[in-house]
Amino acid sequence: QQQVKQSPQSLIVQKGGISIINCAYENTAFDYFPWYQQFPGKGPALLIAIRPDVSEKKEGRFTISFNKSAKQFSLHIMDSQPGDSATYFCAASRSGSARQLTFGSGTQLTVLP
Amino acid sequence: DADVTQTPRNRITKTGKRIMLECSQTKGHDRMYWYRQDPGLGLRLIYYSFDVKDINKGEISDGYSVSRQAQAKFSLSLESAIPNQTALYFCATSPLPGTASTDTQYFGPGTRLTVL
Repeated sequence: QQQVKQSPQSLIVQKGGISIINCAYENTAFDYFPWYQQFPGKGPALLIAIRPDVSEKKEGRFTISFNKSAKQFSLHIMDSQPGDSATYFCAASRSGSARQLTFGSGTQLTVLP
Repeated sequence: DADVTQTPRNRITKTGKRIMLECSQTKGHDRMYWYRQDPGLGLRLIYYSFDVKDINKGEISDGYSVSRQAQAKFSLSLESAIPNQTALYFCATSPLPGTASTDTQYFGPGTRLTVL
């Protein structure tokens, strides 16, 4: 059972455009929602994370939008750059679960120059 | 991240062979994890450990075992490898609750395992 559903599977964006990746979760006990970025040949690395007490978090060109009632959250990459080309994973976890992360299936982002 | 290292980086083995993947970390973290990554499935948790005496099964532990030899070392073993265990394997660490960045997991560079 996939508890975190991620879309799209792949995304191609022109340089300077906005990249949007969406995730939906089922478990209402989740209270921590990180996004990880993975470059080829590397392990995933934390990009940005949000907790459900806020609806948006911005760090530079990266923004998480969170909709608790819809059980959805999304990553927006503004002014996308070729260096942003990577695989992005959303994830979720809950307190008391040893912070086990449940990952989405990943989105391969390609930013064209 | 050089703070979490995995060996080997690539391994090809045959069905039925026993294989061990090793993970070492210099971050001083108590929590360590093993994941496997498959295309279209994301990362799935195999085992995790909170300290040397604590080992817990994750979502997909069947066919795998682990050993926490020290705070800094966490090994994953495939007792009898099968082709559907072909995947990318990642080790990760995280600090204890109450510390800064307690929810962040730090991943190693991965081991690409092929079982023929």
